[in-house]
Amino acid sequence: DIVMTQSPLSLPVSPGEPASISCRSNQSLLHDNGYNYLDWYLQKPGKSPQLLIYLVSNRASGVPDRFSGSGSDTDFTLKISRVEVEDVGVYYCMQARQTPWTFGQGTKVDI
Amino acid sequence: QITLKESGPTVVKPTQTLTLTCTFSGFSLSASGMGVGWIRRPPGKALEYLALIFWDGDSRYNPSLKSRLTITKDTSKNQVVLTMTNMDPLDTATYYCAHRGREIRGVQYYYSGLDVWGQGTTVTVSS
Repeated sequence: DIVMTQSPLSLPVSPGEPASISCRSNQSLLHDNGYNYLDWYLQKPGKSPQLLIYLVSNRASGVPDRFSGSGSDTDFTLKISRVEVEDVGVYYCMQARQTPWTFGQGTKVDI
Repeated sequence: QITLKESGPTVVKPTQTLTLTCTFSGFSLSASGMGVGWIRRPPGKALEYLALIFWDGDSRYNPSLKSRLTITKDTSKNQVVLTMTNMDPLDTATYYCAHRGREIRGVQYYYSGLDVWGQGTTVTVSS
């Protein structure tokens, strides 16, 4: 299985400030088609997970442009340009390069 | 608009078999590239992938649970069913089903994340 490692695991933030989460895999997530199969999800308190970013840098429908993803191969980053109160929750990276798809441990973001 | 909803028992006893149903709308699981997955989150722990079924019936399981899991689809009912045998208190979790998204780029479909999730169903394993 591909192991996903996130850091930090806890991230206190202030509204209006930037935030960044790192995600590393122990194997390359680069597919033969040229895409890295790395997603980011946010699980807000009491809610189901929601897709933020897929294939490293593609924002899902309705996701604000303050969220951005970058990286390649084994090293990836999610950035929030200016944190808003509604962004609190647990952020997960997930690799879909090969099954079983695997998630990081989660990063808890709170204000 | 794509929606998914999980249903099943809220409590099961140890050693029993759990059967969860994901009823969906807004897409056809017989369309090329489509898939539905099951993911769970135990209390205080991270998300865990369980299984995925594709439009062509191909099924992919988490190897650590494969001997206990079966995923099936009923295209006519728009349902995906997950069964898990020999339930243990460690299987207590909220179980989610999710739509495997696809988007067309040029003439091919590409993966576009688990783009729609159900509301989740909480299962407690206790005697």
